[in-house]
Amino acid sequence: NAGVTQTPKFRVLKTGQSMTLLCAQDMNHEYMYWYRQDPGMGLRLIHYSVGEGTTAKGEVPDGYNVSRLKKQNFLLGLESAAPSQTSVYFCASSSRPGREYEQYFGPGTRLTVT
Amino acid sequence: AQTVTQSQPEMSVQEAETVTLSCTYDTSESDYYLFWYKQPPSRQMILVIRQEAYKQQNATENRFSVNFQKAAKSFSLKISDSQLGDAAMYFCAYRSAYNFGNEKLTFGTGTRLTIIP
Repeated sequence: NAGVTQTPKFRVLKTGQSMTLLCAQDMNHEYMYWYRQDPGMGLRLIHYSVGEGTTAKGEVPDGYNVSRLKKQNFLLGLESAAPSQTSVYFCASSSRPGREYEQYFGPGTRLTVT
Repeated sequence: AQTVTQSQPEMSVQEAETVTLSCTYDTSESDYYLFWYKQPPSRQMILVIRQEAYKQQNATENRFSVNFQKAAKSFSLKISDSQLGDAAMYFCAYRSAYNFGNEKLTFGTGTRLTIIP
């Protein structure tokens, strides 16, 4: 049981390049999330999904796109990377809302845009 | 919108001593959940403890306990018998109980805890 995994763990991009971050979970969770973490700030939600084929915007969605074609995968895309997108990106997943709700996080991807 | 404030960017404690990390939040809702997450140098986010707003009893998990003051909107984390492995960044987080379909966590800016041997 791997939990939540993220690929890649590190990446360096030049301004204007594109890339896709992959998140995979093996817990059969309905909900998946993408956060970014910047120095001196907590995690901020970029996009999220409440089920296969659905996505929605979070707090800081500009410059990112997402897709949830399969229940276990949630992709985060940067079409034209900018230095402001240098950050650590976390994926998380959770079951449906309930009293024992918990978000499970992946190990993070450190992205540097030069 | 809800906000979460952690006013202590850094804290340190002697090994085996007790330390308390502060967290305050702002919300107009009456039903919600509060969390403390630990982020060690590995970057992995680990849930430490969870508190449900409708429960008056403070949550405890082994050496970790909270002081939940709903009227004051305060949610502090107490770590007893501090161990070297407790060294990490600690984040307080809030989740509304009402936003079905949007289970986002609102995080504070974190407190870096150092354990002094």
